[in-house]
Amino acid sequence: EPEVTQTPSHQVTQMGQEVILRCVPISNHLYFYWYRQILGQKVEFLVSFYNNEISEKSEIFDDQFSVERPDGSNFTLKIRSTKLEDSAMYFCASSVLPRADTQYFGPGTRLTVL
Amino acid sequence: ILNVEQSPQSLHVQEGDSTNFTCSFPSSNFYALHWYRWETAKSPEALFVMTLNGDEKKKGRISATLNTKEGYSYLYIKGSQPEDSATYLCASHSGAGSYQLTFGKGTKLSVIP
Repeated sequence: EPEVTQTPSHQVTQMGQEVILRCVPISNHLYFYWYRQILGQKVEFLVSFYNNEISEKSEIFDDQFSVERPDGSNFTLKIRSTKLEDSAMYFCASSVLPRADTQYFGPGTRLTVL
Repeated sequence: ILNVEQSPQSLHVQEGDSTNFTCSFPSSNFYALHWYRWETAKSPEALFVMTLNGDEKKKGRISATLNTKEGYSYLYIKGSQPEDSATYLCASHSGAGSYQLTFGKGTKLSVIP
């Protein structure tokens, strides 16, 4: 069964460093998303992406964040200058259609900022 | 701001017991309600997407109902098994123009053999 994959599973970085989190969505999906969960809190939406453009972003997704689909398979989230409060589990998701369609999630990347 | 709440926060049941938990969400601008099952270190697994008031969906021993007028959904597990132990997340999708899911905090279910 097709699945969303994410690498790495765990990333440790120093405050101020840039990180890139990688995702391979399900191959025939057209809509891509990033969410995050800070320990003990709810899963929060960051951004959605369609047709090589951001379709929606939350207040969390400020200028420090960017997304890219560099080729036909990968979808990346870049954090330019990490802060302690960026420590969280980051989930990638994808769907065929938007809105009422199922979003399929990857297993997450745990980001630890020291 | 859309606020999705789930209760209880955690639940311990004996193997074989049936159980249910609640997801409440704002009924205005409702578009869809999603349920996920999430085991630690794995991907959240999609269970149901529900859109219509009165909708009821079933997958094996798990079923869900939806009341969009009053803003709640119930998830039922019949005859709980240890492998049902997981966190069950609901997420609401509001407004035709929005792409995002707004999640509740989840209900952590532990099934004791």
